[in-house]
Amino acid sequence: EVQLVESGGGVVRPGGSLRLSCAASGFTFDDYGMSWVRQAPGKGLEWVSGINWNGGSTGYADSVKGRFTISRDNAKNSLYLQMNSLRAEDTALYHCARDSPGDLKAFDIWGQGTMVTVSS
Amino acid sequence: DIQMTQSPSSLSASVGDRVTITCRASQSISSYLNWYQQKPGKAPKLLIYAASSLQSGVPSRFSGSGSGTDFTLTISSLQPEDFATYYCQQSYSTPRTFGQGTRLEIK
Repeated sequence: EVQLVESGGGVVRPGGSLRLSCAASGFTFDDYGMSWVRQAPGKGLEWVSGINWNGGSTGYADSVKGRFTISRDNAKNSLYLQMNSLRAEDTALYHCARDSPGDLKAFDIWGQGTMVTVSS
Repeated sequence: DIQMTQSPSSLSASVGDRVTITCRASQSISSYLNWYQQKPGKAPKLLIYAASSLQSGVPSRFSGSGSGTDFTLTISSLQPEDFATYYCQQSYSTPRTFGQGTRLEIK
């Protein structure tokens, strides 16, 4: 079964750091680009960051640029998001998502998400 | 950044109705437009990619059309399981922006 499972969320104080992980299974992980997408409580979807199959190309939303770093370890079938200088507005459910094959880059597989709460 | 605007923001309809949701991009995105369905407490699910291609396993009552800046998602005959929130998303350029969502409710 194709599956993405996120972990690492929790409650953190403003200015703090957190590292999210996403474990992939059921497919050849290094064939696919991957992304993080978040959803604040009661709000819509926001793309946060993406990475290509080998980690050689990354992209970030303006709202997280300079604070978040996406990475991957293909040997461990894992995707990561290092989040620094966290703010209250970063509070959200963070999903990892797989890019569909080719250059269309739809998100064809999603994890259930891990919740990040930034609060003092 | 490319802005995606959906209309309407919410919609009430009955089982069996034909429903259309519109998505407009702030600049041309060719056919790099995707549609997702999200039910409460669940992850989004890909319905349509490349504007009009049906994702595997998605019922044929869902269809997409458009290119350039204007796109539509149509559900030909609403079923009880279709009441959810729908999002469009462009994959033409980074950041890969989403529309604000359309909440489809039971009338």
